[in-house]
Amino acid sequence: AQSVAQPEDQVNVAEGNPLTVKCTYSVSGNPYLFWYVQYPNRGLQFLLKYITGDNLVKGSYGFEAEFNKSQTSFHLKKPSALVSDSALYFCAVRDISQAGTALIFGKGTTLSVSS
Amino acid sequence: GAGVSQSPSNKVTEKGKDVELRCDPISGHTALYWYRQSLGQGLEFLIYFQGNSAPDKSGLPSDRFSAERTGGSVSTLTIQRTQQEDSAVYLCASSFLTRGTDTQYFGPGTRLTVL
Repeated sequence: AQSVAQPEDQVNVAEGNPLTVKCTYSVSGNPYLFWYVQYPNRGLQFLLKYITGDNLVKGSYGFEAEFNKSQTSFHLKKPSALVSDSALYFCAVRDISQAGTALIFGKGTTLSVSS
Repeated sequence: GAGVSQSPSNKVTEKGKDVELRCDPISGHTALYWYRQSLGQGLEFLIYFQGNSAPDKSGLPSDRFSAERTGGSVSTLTIQRTQQEDSAVYLCASSFLTRGTDTQYFGPGTRLTVL
């Protein structure tokens, strides 16, 4: 069965400091991984995805994520956090071989960036 | 804009009433998904449409839930005899499947409150 774990309900970081939001996954085949962000009363916005290739993926708003196959992780990172990055972040996965199927989402991590 | 749109943005109904939620996908997208986001929970897959294929209804929680997609575009999610546990944000997403990969783009959601 496919699953995603986001072990932290909340991450607190000071503005200007680096941030990491953790995600681990489980799929039977090769993973297709995503990060989405949700601002209050808004839908999910796509940040970045990993299919294959370079393990470091760059996305929108200065975010990046590192795929680690041995640790089955896909942590979201940003070198310098902004207050405006405060939001709810979701990691999602599906098996690459199951094209077009629904994504499996983690429960989300609330990022709070203080000024 | 050219994004996914959903209506209404908010719906308050009484227990036992039927509701219809609408989704307009991005033009040209062949796949359409419905998810449910309950308070404190991640996103729960409900149903998936791909082109003219039979929909994947495996995520629908009960037979009170149904959905249709007319003309390969607009979709309506219907909940009959609503219950208080149906209260949630219902999110629609669409994607274009190419070479086995796709990115789902989400609408702003419909917040359903069942009194």
